[in-house]
Amino acid sequence: QSALTQPRSVSGSPGQSVTISCTGTSSDVGGYNYVSWYQHHPGKAPKLMIYDVTRRPSGVPDRFSASKSGNTASLTISGLQAEDESDYYCCSYAGSYTLLFGGGTKLTVL
Amino acid sequence: QVQLVQSGAEVKKSGSSVKVSCKASGGTFSNNIDMIGWMRQAPGQGLEWMGGVIPVYGIATYAQKFQDRVRITADESTGTTYMELSGLRSEDTAVYFCAGGLDSRGWGYDWWGQGTLVTVSS
Repeated sequence: QSALTQPRSVSGSPGQSVTISCTGTSSDVGGYNYVSWYQHHPGKAPKLMIYDVTRRPSGVPDRFSASKSGNTASLTISGLQAEDESDYYCCSYAGSYTLLFGGGTKLTVL
Repeated sequence: QVQLVQSGAEVKKSGSSVKVSCKASGGTFSNNIDMIGWMRQAPGQGLEWMGGVIPVYGIATYAQKFQDRVRITADESTGTTYMELSGLRSEDTAVYFCAGGLDSRGWGYDWWGQGTLVTVSS
């Protein structure tokens, strides 16, 4: 099982929108509606931002949205804020009670 | 509110084993957590799912990469889960995280431990 493919880095200016992609296969991203996204500030515990492809836990700003098409899931952050600068990871169910993470994307707010 | 508290940092020799614990405060597994996962992050690398356990059933599953070296268990009576990794090598130097979630979160982990640094030296 190879890690899901994410861009190494993305950037945007405050107020802009950025989208992070997460590409897998029909055995993971494309096969199940169980994609989650995590925000991870180095040295801290990751935070669940999205689950079930599109759902936000309470407390996560609605600036964070997500979708999936085929084998690719996407996380969009609109109205970028300085505090959004972080590492973001996608994660997908891959069958047989296993999960697969993406390689991570570093978001820089310019 | 569930909190997961992990055991402290470890320094191990190559070839040995390490066992990291993760205790749920604020309740036992059966009341608050449907599934537990163990992840790691090596220096400069991303998060990697190693395996998980469904505490109420005691069923553990593992990523293929770790299948032969990792064992994850859960003790419902104490609300503690354990991850044991054997045959340690330098590449296993990483921060290890436990995380918990509910069925309703579709395999998303709501709660995370603080991380445990495991350093493997030769």
